Amino acid sequence: GENVEQHPSTLSVQEGDSAVIKCTYSDSASNYFPWYKQELGKRPQLIIDIRSNVGEKKDQRIAVTLNKTAKHFSLHITETQPEDSAVYFCAPSGMRFGAGTRLTVKP
Amino acid sequence: DTGVSQNPRHKITKRGQNVTFRCDPISEHNRLYWYRQTLGQGPEFLTYFQNEAQLEKSRLLSDRFSAERPKGSFSTLEIQRTEQGDSAMYLCASSGSVPKLLQDPGNTIYFGEGSWLTVV
Repeated sequence: GENVEQHPSTLSVQEGDSAVIKCTYSDSASNYFPWYKQELGKRPQLIIDIRSNVGEKKDQRIAVTLNKTAKHFSLHITETQPEDSAVYFCAPSGMRFGAGTRLTVKP
Repeated sequence: DTGVSQNPRHKITKRGQNVTFRCDPISEHNRLYWYRQTLGQGPEFLTYFQNEAQLEKSRLLSDRFSAERPKGSFSTLEIQRTEQGDSAMYLCASSGSVPKLLQDPGNTIYFGEGSWLTVV
């Protein structure tokens, strides 16, 4: 089965700083790369995704970059705000999830 | 249609009892997924259906777990002879493999609110 690893497992940044979370995967057939945000007690919510024919996608303060050769993709959050504090999951191909990265944005 | 619907939202049961959760996916979504999530962990894939066919089942799913999607619409997840280790949130999700909406070009997985199970 697919091996999915996320790094780091926890990340603490100051408000206004950038945050980067990396996801590596093993299945070279993966062609869909989403990132989910989950707040405590709530369901995972898709925040951005990218497909294998694109190397980068940006949506306001959030971006995802993909390196298919190296089999990893990353979530970039700029100008972080306290409400960005949550657990973020990658899920290559949308089915297998990483263990999550707990992001804390300190005001 | 407001999204993926799950019920019950919360269930407390005694060890050894059977429980069943229901999931109603987004209409026209032909794929339906079940996950289990415990505190501090990511969603753990259990199984998925394409229409009524169960295409994949995790090896982690013991024989006490069974899922059905008889008409290719709603799905049920049954846990027999519950154990305390089954306590978790059970998430259902759906996706459409064929893009029908410009803003949803297929593959995007939408989650329900989850069903919390506590086994005492």
